[in-house]
Amino acid sequence: DTGVSQDPRHKITKRGQNVTFRCDPISEHNRLYWYRQTLGQGPEFLTYFQNEAQLEKSRLLSDRFSAERPKGSFSTLEIQRTEQGDSAMYLCASSSQGGNTIYFGEGSWLTVV
Amino acid sequence: GNSVTQMEGPVTLSEEAFLTINCTYTATGYPSLFWYVQYPGEGLQLLLKATKADDKGSNKGFEATYRKETTSFHLEKGSVQVSDSAVYFCALSAGQAGTALIFGKGTTLSVSS
Repeated sequence: DTGVSQDPRHKITKRGQNVTFRCDPISEHNRLYWYRQTLGQGPEFLTYFQNEAQLEKSRLLSDRFSAERPKGSFSTLEIQRTEQGDSAMYLCASSSQGGNTIYFGEGSWLTVV
Repeated sequence: GNSVTQMEGPVTLSEEAFLTINCTYTATGYPSLFWYVQYPGEGLQLLLKATKADDKGSNKGFEATYRKETTSFHLEKGSVQVSDSAVYFCALSAGQAGTALIFGKGTTLSVSS
């Protein structure tokens, strides 16, 4: 079963460092999403790709955040100059075109110390 | 704007008790509605969904009916098990197929034997 996979699952970094997360969606899905989830809250939408095009970005996605999906397959989410407030779980999800069900990966936990 | 409101938890039940987790929404148009479940340390799994008014989604003994007149999508299960202990998220998708989900804050369910 090849679901959405994310790497790394856990990352501890010092404030000010850059971190990058990778997401591999379900192979036939052309839509890919990034969400952020903090403790006690529901996931919050960050950004969305259809194939390689980034079609929507949340106001939560500050200048320090950048997401790419260069070949329309895997995606990366980079956070530059991390801050303690960036500590959260970063969830990737995917869906097929025309499908209204979004499938999530297990998430990447980020702790900024 | 679009939003989802869930009852606050935690909800603590004994095994075989009846479960209701309330969810109401605000949305323009005709959203699709979802319940996701998150087990400890894991990502989100789709539990059930409904795409139009009066639809009933069901899975693993859980049910929810899309009520447009009350803008609600309450989750119910007749007899909970210890293994149902998890965090439950209500969500909506208000645009075209594949539009990002908007989540409630989640409700923690704890079932004891």
